[in-house]
Amino acid sequence: DVKVTQSSRYLVKRTGEKVFLECVQDMDHENMFWYRQDPGLGLRLIYFSYDVKMKEKGDIPEGYSVSREKKERFSLILESASTNQTSMYLCASSLRSGLGANVLTFGAGSRLTVL
Amino acid sequence: AQKVTQAQTEISVVEKEDVTLDCVYETRDTTYYLFWYKQPPSGELVFLIRRNSFDEQNEISGRYSWNFQKSTSSFNFTITASQVVDSAVYFCALSINNAGNMLTFGGGTRLMVKP
Repeated sequence: DVKVTQSSRYLVKRTGEKVFLECVQDMDHENMFWYRQDPGLGLRLIYFSYDVKMKEKGDIPEGYSVSREKKERFSLILESASTNQTSMYLCASSLRSGLGANVLTFGAGSRLTVL
Repeated sequence: AQKVTQAQTEISVVEKEDVTLDCVYETRDTTYYLFWYKQPPSGELVFLIRRNSFDEQNEISGRYSWNFQKSTSSFNFTITASQVVDSAVYFCALSINNAGNMLTFGGGTRLMVKP
């Protein structure tokens, strides 16, 4: 069964802490994505990557950075967490091209609370 | 810019009732893709269907059916004879390309099916 695995389901951090959210996929997908999910706002794209070491900003990149050193792993970094970054974070992956290129496979999410 | 509106934030039905989840989209592009995803309580979004803008045929998959109407910019989702396991948040999404990086999600509809 294909999988996108997010390392932490629940995290509680303090304002100003550096936070790492890790995501690993085992489908050999080229594309990987980080979304943020907030009630009533749906999912909003933070960053995506279409290849190792490549990254592109999404709709709401401010306050976040990403790292993709290996094809299967895509990390989201909050350099200095703030309370308005309390949210559910979803990682996803997809093929780069072909029929499946915009069909995303999601992880179970990481719920981050910043106090 | 693209926009997806799911006007129903929450719907509650009793098991075996039919329920329709509404989705209205906005885009100036003539080629686009529409999606529905299901997010059960476990948190992982599950892909249900993708439609491209040139295929207005309605689709049925078991108890699920989708009604795509370009004239009203709608892509509604109907569950027939609902079951408790259908309880989830459902997201409609729109993409103007096949790269996965331009998915716009609606705010989601929480469906609660009571026994």
